[in-house]
Amino acid sequence: NNEVEQSPQNLTAQVGEFITINCSYSVGISALHWLQQHPGGGIVSLFMLSSGKKKHGRLIATINIQEKHSSLHITASHPRDSAVYICAVEGGNQFYFGTGTSLTVIP
Amino acid sequence: NAGVTQTPKFQVLKTGQSMTLQCAQDMNHEYMSWYRQDPGMGLRLIHYSVGAGITDQGEVPNGYNVSRSTTEDFPLRLLSAAPSQTSVYFCASSRTGLAQETQYFGPGTRLLVL
Repeated sequence: NNEVEQSPQNLTAQVGEFITINCSYSVGISALHWLQQHPGGGIVSLFMLSSGKKKHGRLIATINIQEKHSSLHITASHPRDSAVYICAVEGGNQFYFGTGTSLTVIP
Repeated sequence: NAGVTQTPKFQVLKTGQSMTLQCAQDMNHEYMSWYRQDPGMGLRLIHYSVGAGITDQGEVPNGYNVSRSTTEDFPLRLLSAAPSQTSVYFCASSRTGLAQETQYFGPGTRLLVL
């Protein structure tokens, strides 16, 4: 399905760089989630937002409901940030997931 | 709390075999769901449950059965495994349905069907 599109698909950054991952969606939503999937496969929830902006440590997530767009920013990137970042939107009684952005932060 | 647990972590099946993937949560969550994750595709919903005794189909339910006899457990059954069911399966739960609730994911089960 293409209800959720993420860009870029792959991203390589140097330590300390500012990183932006984008998510666009085409369905009406009640909330948008950013998830992180570690190389070992586990998935954890980073943010859930329905408007505005949220910040947690070096991570910032924003959403523009009118434009149906969200961004995940990572400041001062570190090798431990290397993971797949997944955007997911809640519509109706289901989630719709993007295919993920694979981030590699190199020293 | 153990959170969401899944067993087994890895399984190899032959075509036509049946098996059950186990999922349990100890957070008293009402909403539980099963997803499959395939290369190049986002997670896709197989089945979900909004409470004990209530289940419903997701995007890709064919070939899978579920039941929810208790709040804690939500097993996923493959009745006759096919190579197309080779995937990584994730179970997830949240407190009271989606409704802007944080989703908690299990560690995943890697299934290979030969």
